[in-house]
Amino acid sequence: DIQMTQSPSSLSASVGDRITITCRASQSISIFLNWYQQKPGKAPKFLIYAASSLQSGVPSRFSGGGSGTDFTLTISSLQPEDFATYYCQQSYSSPYTFGQGTKLEIK
Amino acid sequence: QLQLQESGPGLVKPSETLSLTCTVSGGSISNSNYNWGWIRQPPGKGLEWIGYIYYSGTTYYNPSLKSRVTISVDTSRNQFSLKLSSVTAADTAVYYCARPTGSYNWFDPWGQGTLVTVSS
Repeated sequence: DIQMTQSPSSLSASVGDRITITCRASQSISIFLNWYQQKPGKAPKFLIYAASSLQSGVPSRFSGGGSGTDFTLTISSLQPEDFATYYCQQSYSSPYTFGQGTKLEIK
Repeated sequence: QLQLQESGPGLVKPSETLSLTCTVSGGSISNSNYNWGWIRQPPGKGLEWIGYIYYSGTTYYNPSLKSRVTISVDTSRNQFSLKLSSVTAADTAVYYCARPTGSYNWFDPWGQGTLVTVSS
């Protein structure tokens, strides 16, 4: 199985900050990398596919990058509604594994 | 707009079979462009991909669960289902149905999730 490792596991930041979350795959996955946002008690919300393509309706302050084994999710200016847990997911090969999550908290 | 809704028992006894159904609305489950999947999340933990079924009927399962999992489609009811046999407390989780979408197999949309507790 391909292992996905996110860092950091948790992050404290303020409204207006720029933050970056990293996701590393245990082997090359090209750009088969998707990102999700999950708020407490809710299902995950799909944000980004193919490493850097924004889902329709997702604010442009979200961006993704990377290829191969190293990927990033950046939020350029944090808004109150962005505080949540973020997951990466590889879809290069089955089983389609997720990272362990990064919890973004208000400082 | 496609919507998914899980249903099934919230409590299952150890060694028994967990059975959940996902009802699809806003579209036909037999659409050849659609595949259907299940993901779970133990309380306070991360997401685990369980498996999915192609519109053709081909299934793909997480090897860690493969011997116990069955995913199937009921086109007459516009539903797909998950069966997980020989459950233990480790199978306690929120179970989500979701649609693998596009060339990069992202999951969207998702159902709201249903908590299944394994306990005697």
